[in-house]
Amino acid sequence: DTGVSQNPRHKITKRGQNVTFRCDPISEHNRLYWYRQTLGQGPEFLTYFQNEAQLEKSRLLSDRFSAERPKGSFSTLEIQRTEQGDSAMYLCASSSTGTRSRNEQFFGPGTRLTVL
Amino acid sequence: SQQGEEDPQALSIQEGENATMNCSYKTSINNLQWYRQNSGRGLVHLILIRSNEREKHSGRLRVTLDTSKKSSSLLITASRAADTASYFCATVITGANNLFFGTGTRLTVIP
Repeated sequence: DTGVSQNPRHKITKRGQNVTFRCDPISEHNRLYWYRQTLGQGPEFLTYFQNEAQLEKSRLLSDRFSAERPKGSFSTLEIQRTEQGDSAMYLCASSSTGTRSRNEQFFGPGTRLTVL
Repeated sequence: SQQGEEDPQALSIQEGENATMNCSYKTSINNLQWYRQNSGRGLVHLILIRSNEREKHSGRLRVTLDTSKKSSSLLITASRAADTASYFCATVITGANNLFFGTGTRLTVIP
């Protein structure tokens, strides 16, 4: 399977704990995005990387959230001191900036976070 | 917020009928994309239409774009039960790279 993969698929944690999610993009894609989706809503942009550089962060990305893409391949999203409001589906997407790119983003299956 | 709005929020039709969903957005865009999401799953890209295009087709899908009205529509012809899902429009605004999603239309196709 050469699509975008995310791990874990589900995470249940207690309030105040730290959690980390991983995203493996399509191998030839140099851009990687993180989105958050709450029930009944469309995804909301959090941040994106081009190679290893984090180029943009949404105001939704509070200081408890940090994302990395150390080698320009996989990415991790960490949430520190989780709150119940962090409960959501966290989606990762990747795209290519190649000459044939149309900014089409390919999404992973998501990680569903539940904060108790 | 750039986030668009889809209309209707929910749509229920009989198998074989056509389904039309509309999307409105607020600012200048580079392109507009439609995605499908089955319950609890990731999003699947359906079709992209650039700001200088007015209509595109892909199989049973037809997308129109009216930049003067800042609106788009997605038509699914001859619907099937397997088309049951939530459909989102997403825009790439001028000068940006991330997607701004609408609120989605939940389509139910009754066999």
